[in-house]
Amino acid sequence: GAVVSQHPSWVICKSGTSVKIECRSLDFQATTMFWYRQFPKQSLMLMATSNEGSKATYEQGVEKDKFLINHASLTLSTLTVTSAHPEDSSFYICSASPEGGYGYTFGSGTRLTVV
Amino acid sequence: QQQVKQSPQSLIVQKGGISIINCAYENTAFDYFPWYQQFPGKGPALLIAIRPDVSEKKEGRFTISFNKSAKQFSLHIMDSQPGDSATYFCAASMINSGYALNFGKGTSLLVTP
Repeated sequence: GAVVSQHPSWVICKSGTSVKIECRSLDFQATTMFWYRQFPKQSLMLMATSNEGSKATYEQGVEKDKFLINHASLTLSTLTVTSAHPEDSSFYICSASPEGGYGYTFGSGTRLTVV
Repeated sequence: QQQVKQSPQSLIVQKGGISIINCAYENTAFDYFPWYQQFPGKGPALLIAIRPDVSEKKEGRFTISFNKSAKQFSLHIMDSQPGDSATYFCAASMINSGYALNFGKGTSLLVTP
């Protein structure tokens, strides 16, 4: 089955530093990947749609300059949290679909803690 | 705004019982309705999904019932087991949104022994 690998699974960083999260589709190509954010005991909120070879599309209220997304290949999208602050602490999850729209597979998530 | 409304927020079921989670949507352009299961600290895993041209889909102990006219769909977990204890999310998507999923708020299910 389709597998999406996300790395790292958890990271602790100091306030003001940047953190990069990788999302890879291991056995399929994904022209589109999605990045979500999830707070404890809450639902997944779409942050942005990552398109291979073009700029990401951000949801309303998501700061483009803080959450940099790069989708340089058909199997890799990265999310960089720049100048991280404690309020950026959250669970970040990516997803992709090998079928061009259905059958989304999610990564295992990245727990970011900013201290 | 929440495009998919999910209830109940939490659910306790005895082992062997039936767990039922309901979702409702407003946008008739939605054409894909999946259910995801999520364990703490993990990403969501696809359980089962349905398209609007089908009223019911069953996979093992999991069944989706879909009512297009009422714009509602539900997940039934038969013979619920303690290992089913997790958070369940319904979702919906439509082609012209770039396939992004709209999630319900989730239901925390606890199956007691």
